Amino acid sequence: AQSVTQLDSQVPVFEEAPVELRCNYSSSVSVYLFWYVQYPNQGLQLLLKYLSGSTLVESINGFEAEFNKSQTSFHLRKPSVHISDTAEYFCAVSSIQGAQKLVFGQGTRLTINP
Amino acid sequence: GAVVSQHPSRVICKSGTSVKIECRSLDFQATTMFWYRQFPKQSLMLMATSNEGSKATYEQGVEKDKFLINHASLTLSTLTVTSAHPEDSSFYICSASLPGGPDTQYFGPGTRLTVL
Repeated sequence: AQSVTQLDSQVPVFEEAPVELRCNYSSSVSVYLFWYVQYPNQGLQLLLKYLSGSTLVESINGFEAEFNKSQTSFHLRKPSVHISDTAEYFCAVSSIQGAQKLVFGQGTRLTINP
Repeated sequence: GAVVSQHPSRVICKSGTSVKIECRSLDFQATTMFWYRQFPKQSLMLMATSNEGSKATYEQGVEKDKFLINHASLTLSTLTVTSAHPEDSSFYICSASLPGGPDTQYFGPGTRLTVL
């Protein structure tokens, strides 16, 4: 079984400041790792994923996450946030044999202040 | 592409009644659909996995007689909350997936159920 912990339920930052959203996971088997974003009144959208290969993965809107196997972490970072990044962010894992079953963290609400 | 819709977006019902929530994949055929439940300020919890034409697989602790899932076609799955009670009030989210990798799951916008 897998579990995911997002340590911060809320993260307020000022516009153009850097941000890091933390995610740690626990699993006895190898996993795939995901970050999903949920904008207000919308469904979850895949932001980025780690399946294999390079441990640093990037999204099209400037976010990046690094898979750290020894620390069982997959923290999400952005060097300079924008008002439009205000959303709920969910970290998730699935077993590589898991038939697409996702296990989610509790979510982190990112609020960008002008 | 890959849009998933849910209907209704919000529903309020009286205790003891049943409520049906629809999940549709609008522009693709989904071999598998998933139903999640999200309590306020909590994570999404997988309730069940359904494959078209077969019985749903429920997660441990989810009452299959209370949460009826029907996946009648490759574009439609329904979740019926039977004899709803206030503790069933929650945000229900579905997702639909294509065969292949784990990153092919597309989520609906969710349905807010309030049971009075």
